[in-house]
Amino acid sequence: LAKTTQPISMDSYEGQEVNITCSHNNIATNDYITWYQQFPSQGPRFIIQGYKTKVTNEVASLFIPADRKSSTLSLPRVSLSDTAVYYCLVGDGSGAGSYQLTFGKGTKLSVIP
Amino acid sequence: SQTIHQWPATLVQPVGSPLSLECTVEGTSNPNLYWYRQAAGRGLQLLFYSVGIGQISSEVPQNLSASRPQDRQFILSSKKLLLSDSGFYLCAWSGLGAFFGQGTRLTVV
Repeated sequence: LAKTTQPISMDSYEGQEVNITCSHNNIATNDYITWYQQFPSQGPRFIIQGYKTKVTNEVASLFIPADRKSSTLSLPRVSLSDTAVYYCLVGDGSGAGSYQLTFGKGTKLSVIP
Repeated sequence: SQTIHQWPATLVQPVGSPLSLECTVEGTSNPNLYWYRQAAGRGLQLLFYSVGIGQISSEVPQNLSASRPQDRQFILSSKKLLLSDSGFYLCAWSGLGAFFGQGTRLTVV
């Protein structure tokens, strides 16, 4: 199973760009990298997913180096509402790889006014 | 589009009582289904996953069990709840990545 390691917490001021890095040294060939955002008492919400290089959507960018042993979630110009726990998930729940989707401990991002 | 329904949203149960939480998925067939538990301020602990009807894999030995009687239905059960079963329970289905329900806040008193 691909295990992930993230910083436990991060603080940022409003309007700054935030980069959260996840290490996944034993990622498998079929594994995708997915990031989630979770607010208290809610289920995790899908943010972005990638396999390699760079992916960008309307809320974030995901940078994945060629060796795929890490990934970085980039949140541009954070606001107070971005205060949440962010999880990196490595796996392939579609079945081509491991069925077990095991989350790491997540990164608690606190945005400061 | 795919949707996942989980109920109830909150539940208060006495110690020793039974439990049944239900999760259903719409808009996809033969999904992989998951039950997670999250203690207050903690991460997501994978409890069970299922790749098909009647197929259940348990990650953590405990007071809980899971069943999948239909393709898009996943049930979490207990015969006798313990105080330590309190927590936030989340159901998810997966394609590439996991997609979660809104969760059930269970308080065992």
